[in-house]
Amino acid sequence: EVQLVESGGGLVQPGRSLRLSCAASGFTFDDYAMHWVRQAPGKGLEWVSGISWNSGSIGYADSVKGRFTISRDNAKNSLYLQMNSLRAEDTALYYCAKDMGDGLLGNFDYWGQGTLVTVSS
Amino acid sequence: EIVLTQSPGTLSLSPGERATLSCRASQSVSSSYLAWYQQKPGQAPRLLIYGASSRATGIPDRFSGSGSGTDFTLTISRLEPEDFAVYYCQQYGSSPRFGGGTKVEIK
Repeated sequence: EVQLVESGGGLVQPGRSLRLSCAASGFTFDDYAMHWVRQAPGKGLEWVSGISWNSGSIGYADSVKGRFTISRDNAKNSLYLQMNSLRAEDTALYYCAKDMGDGLLGNFDYWGQGTLVTVSS
Repeated sequence: EIVLTQSPGTLSLSPGERATLSCRASQSVSSSYLAWYQQKPGQAPRLLIYGASSRATGIPDRFSGSGSGTDFTLTISRLEPEDFAVYYCQQYGSSPRFGGGTKVEIK
């Protein structure tokens, strides 16, 4: 059974940093690209960032480019999102999502339950 | 940048009825890289349809997707109580984007 478990969310002041993690199990992690997708309270879904199976291809939404960094550790079956210079508009539930392929196709067949990030003073 | 517009915003139907959800793209979606997701309150989204018309693993055959180019449709042939939820379309292949969602509510 595929499982994706996010952690690292919390309350953080504007301008500060936070690092999210996603622990994956139940599939061969290094065969697939992985992504972060977020959902602001009461709003729709927004793709944040994705990383190919070997970290060779990485993509970011314009809204986070230059502030967020995605990475993965295939030996640890883990995905990360380093979030710097956080803004109030980054407040959201952040989901870890598995791609159906190994490149940045951006089609998400499994999702975690999310970790909540709240940016507020 | 492709913009996806979903309609209607809310669909009020009774169990057993047919639901037809629309997703229109501002430009052609390449290779029919169009997916549909279902999201229930407090839950993560679930992939229903990919490639515009292929059902994901474990999805009942009352869910079907169709369309190409800029116009896509998700049809639920007979609504079951568990189908009342929010549905999102999504373009993938490059810089994934989601539509604003259609809420299917019990009439």
